[in-house]
Amino acid sequence: NAGVTQTPKFRVLKTGQSMTLLCAQDMNHEYMYWYRQDPGMGLRLIHYSVGEGTTAKGEVPDGYNVSRLKKQNFLLGLESAAPSQTSVYFCASTYGGTDNEQFFGPGTRLTVL
Amino acid sequence: GENVEQHPSTLSVQEGDSAVIKCTYSDSASNYFPWYKQELGKRPQLIIDIRSNVGEKKDQRIAVTLNKTAKHFSLHITETQPEDSAVYFCAATPDTGTASKLTFGTGTRLQVTL
Repeated sequence: NAGVTQTPKFRVLKTGQSMTLLCAQDMNHEYMYWYRQDPGMGLRLIHYSVGEGTTAKGEVPDGYNVSRLKKQNFLLGLESAAPSQTSVYFCASTYGGTDNEQFFGPGTRLTVL
Repeated sequence: GENVEQHPSTLSVQEGDSAVIKCTYSDSASNYFPWYKQELGKRPQLIIDIRSNVGEKKDQRIAVTLNKTAKHFSLHITETQPEDSAVYFCAATPDTGTASKLTFGTGTRLQVTL
């Protein structure tokens, strides 16, 4: 039981390049989330999904897109990376409903030059 | 939407002392309040949570208290140990209709010194 995994662990991009971050969970969770973590700002929600085929915007969605084609996977895309997107990205998942504990992945450290 | 404020941003205590971290929230509909611990370079992990139908919850050296009227909740760590050194985040969410979206505080860096 791997829990929540993320790939890649580290990535350096040049401004304007694109990339996709992959989150996978093997706990049969319905809800999945993408956060970014910046110094002094806590965790901020980018996008989330309440089930396969559904996505919604969070607090800071600009510059990101997501897809959830399979229940166990949640992809975060950056179409044209900007230095402001330098951050640590965490994926999380939970059953939902009254079972709210969110389980986090190990994070992806992204640097945009 | 929900807004969560967390204080202090840094906290230094001597080993064996107690540590208290406080959070306030704005949405009266919030009824689930978790606390996460994040060690350096690691993922956040849930250490304790509380729902609005109780005022206090304990788990060994960790306790959380909730005052719904004042919209604040606190984390209490007693008999602190060096391994308690980490960043702690509070969060809040309403249970229903919000996809269990958590709003996090900005974190408290706790340092336990020998």
